[in-house]
Amino acid sequence: AQTVTQSQPEMSVQEAETVTLSCTYDTSENNYYLFWYKQPPSRQMILVIRQEAYKQQNATENRFSVNFQKAAKSFSLKISDSQLGDTAMYFCAFIRVQGGSEKLVFGKGTKLTVNP
Amino acid sequence: DARVTQTPRDKVTEMGQEVTMRCQPILGHNTVFWYRQTMMQGLELLAYFRNRAPLDDSGMPKDRFSAEMPDATLATLKIQPSEPRDSAVYFCASGAGQGRTDTQYFGPGTRLTVL
Repeated sequence: AQTVTQSQPEMSVQEAETVTLSCTYDTSENNYYLFWYKQPPSRQMILVIRQEAYKQQNATENRFSVNFQKAAKSFSLKISDSQLGDTAMYFCAFIRVQGGSEKLVFGKGTKLTVNP
Repeated sequence: DARVTQTPRDKVTEMGQEVTMRCQPILGHNTVFWYRQTMMQGLELLAYFRNRAPLDDSGMPKDRFSAEMPDATLATLKIQPSEPRDSAVYFCASGAGQGRTDTQYFGPGTRLTVL
């Protein structure tokens, strides 16, 4: 069974600074997708970034980028130039690319607070 | 701006009552998922459908929960009878899987409180 671990329950960062959220996962699969979702106080789950395991290049979306280390099964999220609106719970998630199961497996989340 | 919609946003009910939650997936998406979020368990998949057919409901308590897709634009999750331990946020998500794994887009969730 796949598992996703986020070892940092809470983090804080000053506005305009850079912060990195950690995620590790355990799987025997070779082909899969990894995601970071953001959940602000509004409760909405918002997709931040997605990485396909077969791609060596790290995904980037504006101020958000990942450091994907397949051999180490690590998938960290870097937020540059942090903004107050980045305050939220961040969830790392895994899904295997295979017919028959499309279950997203989530980590427990990291609560990020951006301070002014 | 295509998005998943869910109703109601919040629901408070008493133990033993029937609860129905509704979801409208993004137009054109053929895969619909129901997740439950609690403090203790985090986010868990309850069930999902592709082309309106249930593919996996192994995460759902069968005795009281049921999920259906009456048509391509509506998914429902019903709890009967509800219990206090069902209190949680229930998310619907949809994806344009077309038979392959794809990104899931979430609705705003229904916060259920069972007294």
